[in-house]
Amino acid sequence: DGGITQSPKYLFRKEGQNVTLSCEQNLNHDAMYWYRQDPGQGLRLIYYSQIVNDFQKGDIAEGYSVSREKKESFPLTVTSAQKNPTAFYLCASSTYAGLTEAFFGQGTRLTVV
Amino acid sequence: AQTVTQSQPEMSVQEAETVTLSCTYDTSESDYYLFWYKQPPSRQMILVIRQEAYKQQNATENRFSVNFQKAAKSFSLKISDSQLGDAAMYFCALEHVSGYALNFGKGTSLLVTP
Repeated sequence: DGGITQSPKYLFRKEGQNVTLSCEQNLNHDAMYWYRQDPGQGLRLIYYSQIVNDFQKGDIAEGYSVSREKKESFPLTVTSAQKNPTAFYLCASSTYAGLTEAFFGQGTRLTVV
Repeated sequence: AQTVTQSQPEMSVQEAETVTLSCTYDTSESDYYLFWYKQPPSRQMILVIRQEAYKQQNATENRFSVNFQKAAKSFSLKISDSQLGDAAMYFCALEHVSGYALNFGKGTSLLVTP
């Protein structure tokens, strides 16, 4: 079955450490996205990528980095520069940005301990 | 700039009744898409309904329908014959045809009571 997979479901990080969240899709989608969800804040865009080897900052990119070396994969690294990383992170993909609905992964809950 | 506003943080409806969730948005572009997404306790985002701005006819998907008022920049979601499984967070979202990603409202938490 086609879909979008995020791993791990839960992730714990010590302060000062970088951590990478995985996002893989087998839907042959060109565009991929990372959103952050906080209580009462809705979903806020961190980074997006419309094609391989290209990505753009979203509204809250500071303290995060991404790569898009393969069409199927769009990992997100939460760096030590992110001051408040505890949140729920959602990855999404779509056929082409602006034209079709986005499909979402099941999310990763990141907690800083 | 674009903003999506959901003015109802929480709503409650009795089973089998009808409820309407509000959404307003602001954009300077004429071509865009509007969406309602549902996020149940599992936190999996599920598309409920989609509306193309160039279409005057309101979208309908089974018990879900929208009231799209382009001039007023309003996009409300009506859920008819509410079921316990409809309990979830509902997010309104906008995406420009020329844009790059969905812009979400802050969500409305819907409680369905027996």
